Amino acid sequence: GAVVSQHPSWVICKSGTSVKIECRSLDFQATTMFWYRQFPKQSLMLMATSNEGSKATYEQGVEKDKFLINHASLTLSTLTVTSAHPEDSSFYICSVPYFGIRGNSPLHFGNGTRLTVT
Amino acid sequence: AQKVTQAQTEISVVEKEDVTLDCVYETRDTTYYLFWYKQPPSGELVFLIRRNSFDEQNEISGRYSWNFQKSTSSFNFTITASQVVDSAVYFCALSVGFNKFYFGSGTKLNVKP
Repeated sequence: GAVVSQHPSWVICKSGTSVKIECRSLDFQATTMFWYRQFPKQSLMLMATSNEGSKATYEQGVEKDKFLINHASLTLSTLTVTSAHPEDSSFYICSVPYFGIRGNSPLHFGNGTRLTVT
Repeated sequence: AQKVTQAQTEISVVEKEDVTLDCVYETRDTTYYLFWYKQPPSGELVFLIRRNSFDEQNEISGRYSWNFQKSTSSFNFTITASQVVDSAVYFCALSVGFNKFYFGSGTKLNVKP
């Protein structure tokens, strides 16, 4: 079964609005979660590390005021794209490190959210 | 600095052909981990394999096999007797301490019937 649940799977919004994406770890607690962004036909780029109970750590070049991350509990991290613009259209993927019995991958991925800003 | 290079942007093969996906990595750390993930058109990332830097044993899992060579900093992935369902984008990734993952640019594999 899935280890990480990401919602929504896809969203279309108008330019200037904000969009919230949720990432939930299932059946285990996650003090850290990662947010990636993937442009069409490109690789995954780490945007930020979400830390439960403290501020997120953003990668160089990622606007923290644009991409708000909240890790309010040990099972939920949210990414809010504020005042979205067409150039924010992308595939956003969350991931959670977990070394449980579900396999050898230390990083479990959500199914991603395809954001389209019109 | 860590870096992963997948020089093959796209590969097309006919079903039942064997295909090898190349991955070259760079790191100054002596302890690191290498991964392969599959991303089908639906978008989700599927974990295929993890390899530790101190374990150079090659691995075979069904039609999949991996060749890890520290001397050339390569971690290549071979699919034997490819099938249409193997069509996807494959990513090689490097991690030091599991804190950050560095992904290659991906190789899109097209398997034609």
